[in-house]
Amino acid sequence: DQQVKQNSPSLSVQEGRISILNCDYTNSMFDYFLWYKKYPAEGPTFLISISSIKDKNEDGRFTVFLNKSAKHLSLHIVPSQPGDSAVYFCAASATGANSKLTFGKGITLSVRP
Amino acid sequence: EAGVVQSPRYKIIEKKQPVAFWCNPISGHNTLYWYLQNLGQGPELLIRYENEEAVDDSQLPKDRFSAERLKGVDSTLKIQPAELGDSAVYLCASSGPWGGEQFFGPGTRLTVL
Repeated sequence: DQQVKQNSPSLSVQEGRISILNCDYTNSMFDYFLWYKKYPAEGPTFLISISSIKDKNEDGRFTVFLNKSAKHLSLHIVPSQPGDSAVYFCAASATGANSKLTFGKGITLSVRP
Repeated sequence: EAGVVQSPRYKIIEKKQPVAFWCNPISGHNTLYWYLQNLGQGPELLIRYENEEAVDDSQLPKDRFSAERLKGVDSTLKIQPAELGDSAVYLCASSGPWGGEQFFGPGTRLTVL
């Protein structure tokens, strides 16, 4: 049973436009959420996180929104750049960032020049 | 600062053979994780160490998998004997005592023939 779901396997956007990557979760115990970015032949790289006490966290071009009632979070990238092309994983934890992370299957983002 | 180091990067073996993966975490990181990533899936936690102690090994298939972190620094994950279904990427991650995000190594891609 997938507790973290990334239902869209891929997304293609034009350079300069907004990329919106979605993630849903089913476990009500999750209280910390993270996004990781992964290039081919590399390990995942931490991008941004959000605690369940917040509904928004922003870091430069990246913003994560959390809707606890809907058990939904999204990552917004504005403006999108070709270097953002990668696989993006949503992850969740019930006890903070340094405990077990449950990952989604990932979304492949392609940013067209 | 050096990142998480893993070796080998690639390994090809025949089924029923043993195999071992090595991980050296970021200096000062007391928490170490081994994840398994199958093709098209997100990483799944196998085992988590706090210093030398395995605090979560509930997802480790103990009939064929073993892990150790004898001095609380580097770690080894072993499979004996390997099966065809073990073909995957094995990721190591570490995090610091302040409870921060997990940093991943590049992974070892295992192919079992």
